[in-house]
Amino acid sequence: QVHLVESGGGLVKPGGSLRLSCAASGFTFSDYYMSWIRQAPGKGLEWVSYISSSSSFTNYADSVKGRFTISRDDAKNLLYLQMNSLRVEDTAVYYCARVLVAWGQGTQVTVSS
Amino acid sequence: QSVLTQPPSVSAAPGQKVTISCSGSSSNIGNNYVSWYQQLPGTAPKLLIYDNNKRPSGIPDRFSGSKSGTSATLGITGLQTGDEADYYCGTWDSSLSAGLFGGGTKVTVL
Repeated sequence: QVHLVESGGGLVKPGGSLRLSCAASGFTFSDYYMSWIRQAPGKGLEWVSYISSSSSFTNYADSVKGRFTISRDDAKNLLYLQMNSLRVEDTAVYYCARVLVAWGQGTQVTVSS
Repeated sequence: QSVLTQPPSVSAAPGQKVTISCSGSSSNIGNNYVSWYQQLPGTAPKLLIYDNNKRPSGIPDRFSGSKSGTSATLGITGLQTGDEADYYCGTWDSSLSAGLFGGGTKVTVL
């Protein structure tokens, strides 16, 4: 059974950094492309980034391009999202997902002074 | 503004049926699988439908999905008060190489 667990969220000041992690189990992690998706308070779902299997390709939403970096460690079954230059509008629950189908429970990121 | 268009809200009486539409384009819905998610208040989105019309184990057959051209539809029959939630469609956009979601539809059981 697919199991995804996000961690690394927290409270950070504007301009700060955080690194989110997603631990995957129950499937062959290296075979799948993975995504990060977020949901700001009271808002809908927003796709943030994806990384292909073997890390060959990545892409980002315009709202985070140049500030966020997605990566993966297939040996450890871990997905990461390095978030730099954080803004108040990055406040959201961040979910990792296998493709767009299997999701974790999310980790809260709050950017506030 | 979402690239995938959903109605903001739909409503029906208990036991009735509702349908939620999700409209896109040839680069997303037209050429990729569609998923549907249910989000109860204060909880993470839950997968209801994947690959246009498949249900994960544990999802009752009251929930159904279909796709035609550049639009997809979620159907809920035998509406229950526990179905009150926000529902989102999602798919991949081949031109953008990006995931896309609809703006969400709030289902109200009258």
